[in-house]
Amino acid sequence: SQQGEEDPQALSIQEGENATMNCSYKTSINNLQWYRQNSGRGLVHLILIRSNEREKHSGRLRVTLDTSKKSSSLLITASRAADTASYFCATPPYNFNKFYFGSGTKLNVKP
Amino acid sequence: EAQVTQNPRYLITVTGKKLTVTCSQNMNHEYMSWYRQDPGLGLRQIYYSMNVEVTDKGDVPEGYKVSRKEKRNFPLILESPSPNQTSLYFCASSFADNQPQHFGDGTRLSIL
Repeated sequence: SQQGEEDPQALSIQEGENATMNCSYKTSINNLQWYRQNSGRGLVHLILIRSNEREKHSGRLRVTLDTSKKSSSLLITASRAADTASYFCATPPYNFNKFYFGSGTKLNVKP
Repeated sequence: EAQVTQNPRYLITVTGKKLTVTCSQNMNHEYMSWYRQDPGLGLRQIYYSMNVEVTDKGDVPEGYKVSRKEKRNFPLILESPSPNQTSLYFCASSFADNQPQHFGDGTRLSIL
């Protein structure tokens, strides 16, 4: 079964608003990663947060991690139409070689 | 330019006709992986490789084979393709199994 699950499955907002996506996972992790995918293209890595970190920023992105709840959130501030894409969390399990992706959140930012 | 290159990008073929999707990376990455992406199911790992001659099954390996004879190449082989293998396939590579992955542009396979 999937290690990570995103919520919501789809999100539609106006340009300038903030977008928040959530990810839940099942087992202990080494780190948690967020990726972006534009319309059937390859995924692009956005940000990595280690299991001993609680929050991380990169430009307009803010990621939080709560290992006690096995959950993470990705916040995109002041969204732009160009942010329209699908966003995935990925959870490489601790001490385990596989790599798991969630099913993704499809974000639509309306101009 | 650092990249993961997959070929072909698109392929329509028929049931039972063996095919190979090539994947090559120029970043000297040790970890390489194949995924399939299906609507509503996200990305599922097919096979991965920790290094040359070291490969292992992911979550959905049935019907697929891989090999890793050189560090840069990681081909995906469908010996007898079936319609349920119609999907969008991605190859990815990274320095290690828990590090950010670089993805190819994808291969869209249709098996009739």
